[in-house]
Amino acid sequence: DAGVIQSPRHEVTEMGQEVTLRCKPISGHNSLFWYRQTMMRGLELLIYFNNNVPIDDSGMPEDRFSAKMPNASFSTLKIQPSEPRDSAVYFCASSLINYNEQFFGPGTRLTVL
Amino acid sequence: SQKIEQNSEALNIQEGKTATLTCNYTNYSPAYLQWYRQDPGRGPVFLLLIRENEKEKRKERLKVTFDTTLKQSLFHITASQPADSATYLCALDSGGAQKLVFGQGTRLTINP
Repeated sequence: DAGVIQSPRHEVTEMGQEVTLRCKPISGHNSLFWYRQTMMRGLELLIYFNNNVPIDDSGMPEDRFSAKMPNASFSTLKIQPSEPRDSAVYFCASSLINYNEQFFGPGTRLTVL
Repeated sequence: SQKIEQNSEALNIQEGKTATLTCNYTNYSPAYLQWYRQDPGRGPVFLLLIRENEKEKRKERLKVTFDTTLKQSLFHITASQPADSATYLCALDSGGAQKLVFGQGTRLTINP
């Protein structure tokens, strides 16, 4: 099993640019989570999906952030426009609904200049 | 306000000793608590889950306790090894079975 796949692994962009982060969950998993990790705030849940449907997006910091899951094997997190304070490591995780263990991807390190 | 605190930012332990990490929470009523390990540049990896009606859970050299009265979980690594050096995160469900809140983590270093 390849595990959760995220791309890109590193992204450097300039303020104001659009950023799209991608995630492929573990095959067969039906829950997908997007997290953000910073030194100041730790690991925070942004949004999660069950069966491709967004369940809770209360952690999404503002309207500049949006997430989609068009099918069971793909999700995107988009930031438009990006700001320097968005610099962080973004993790995608997947699990089976009603199973509590979450499997994390390797993360995308985003730097907004 | 709701808080989850791991009371040591960093912990240094001599190889072979038992490492004990603490996770305290305030104003949550979790049904379960999880522990994850995170190595530099990698995503967290699940280690153990303990439910509110369980006092203790073991897995090889790992042991977790959960005291809902004290609102505290302890995570023990016995016979610690340098390979156990990593950051350890506790997480609990925050009012939704899948919605995890994570502590800031404890960076554990096992010295040979």
